Amino acid sequence: GIQVEQSPPDLILQEGANSTLRCNFSDSVNNLQWFHQNPWGQLINLFYIPSGTKQNGRLSATTVATERYSLLYISSSQTTDSGVYFCAVVLTSGTYKYIFGTGTRLKVLA
Amino acid sequence: GAGVSQSPSNKVTEKGKDVELRCDPISGHTALYWYRQSLGQGLEFLIYFQGNSAPDKSGLPSDRFSAERTGGSVSTLTIQRTQQEDSAVYLCASSLVAGTAGANVLTFGAGSRLTVL
Repeated sequence: GIQVEQSPPDLILQEGANSTLRCNFSDSVNNLQWFHQNPWGQLINLFYIPSGTKQNGRLSATTVATERYSLLYISSSQTTDSGVYFCAVVLTSGTYKYIFGTGTRLKVLA
Repeated sequence: GAGVSQSPSNKVTEKGKDVELRCDPISGHTALYWYRQSLGQGLEFLIYFQGNSAPDKSGLPSDRFSAERTGGSVSTLTIQRTQQEDSAVYLCASSLVAGTAGANVLTFGAGSRLTVL
């Protein structure tokens, strides 16, 4: 089955630092979302980005579908950015279920 | 409603009992998904419904798990004869239309935390 790998698995940053999170997938996809799971467990949609680049404040994302990866950029990190970041994809072939990646656990220190 | 609503938020049960978890999706959303998240782990797909089509049940871990969606809206996930390994957070999500580019954006509920003693 499809593999959705995220790197790094864990990341510790000082407040104000920048970071790049990566999502690699092993098959063709036509839907891709990035989520932030906050320390209380709530999953928040960050980007719906099957291709191209989007920006929202300090966050931006780029998906290169032909090369099967997506990147999430966090600039000027804040302690409220702490949590787990997941990417999720839907295969081009097959049913429309989202398959979640392994996640990146981020901790931002004050 | 304005968001995806799940109930109960917490459920503690004894091994062997049956439990029902409820999900009320965003009004107008035709696709509804159930996921399971064990402590410190990722999200495991269980089942999804799209309109009146047959649900994709490929992620249900055993025949003790079942789900239904009545009237294309509210969904109930039922776990029979619960086991300790069923302890997890059960998350529900909905989207406007599964499989349609731009319309398949998932919105999650807050989850139901199940503890089986």
